[in-house]
Amino acid sequence: TQLLEQSPQFLSIQEGENLTVYCNSSSVFSSLQWYRQEPGEGPVLLVTVVTGGEVKKLKRLTFQFGDARKDSSLHITAAQPGDTGLYLCAGAGSNTGKLIFGQGTTLQVKP
Amino acid sequence: GAGVSQSPSNKVTEKGKDVELRCDPISGHTALYWYRQRLGQGLEFLIYFQGNSAPDKSGLPSDRFSAERTGESVSTLTIQRTQQEDSAVYLCASSPPPGLNEQFFGPGTRLTVL
Repeated sequence: TQLLEQSPQFLSIQEGENLTVYCNSSSVFSSLQWYRQEPGEGPVLLVTVVTGGEVKKLKRLTFQFGDARKDSSLHITAAQPGDTGLYLCAGAGSNTGKLIFGQGTTLQVKP
Repeated sequence: GAGVSQSPSNKVTEKGKDVELRCDPISGHTALYWYRQRLGQGLEFLIYFQGNSAPDKSGLPSDRFSAERTGESVSTLTIQRTQQEDSAVYLCASSPPPGLNEQFFGPGTRLTVL
């Protein structure tokens, strides 16, 4: 069974601080996605990483896919209150359309 | 363009009643997924439809749960004889033809079983 472990589960920081969220597995994924979910809404796709070692940037967010395609990280620089939400990583296997979701990281950025 | 829509947005029911939740995927999306999300937690996979293939039902928690999809359009998730532990947000997502399986989620249906 493929599993994705996210850490930390909860993070409460002050505006302006940096943070990193980790997503780890013992399984190899063909691609890995990051979603953000705000209260009362469905998750929204932020980015998809496909190649081992790939780095993608989305404004203050930097996403990295591990060389072995088993892990990923999300780094936020100078966090803002608008970054508050639940961050989910999800891995795709090569032979199935099903995504394996991590349990999520709840981020609270205080002004 | 229209996104994934779900109805109802909220459903309150009594223990033992049946409920039916509806999902309208994005037009042209061949894959459709149902997830359950308990308060403050991640997504629990329930079922996955891909085109005309047999659905992947491996996530359904019990035989009280079932889902159908008409072609590549509307899907309904049915929960029979609801229990209090069924209370959660039920999310539907759709995904375009084979690619990176990027999912587009609806706003969810919040189910409360009294």
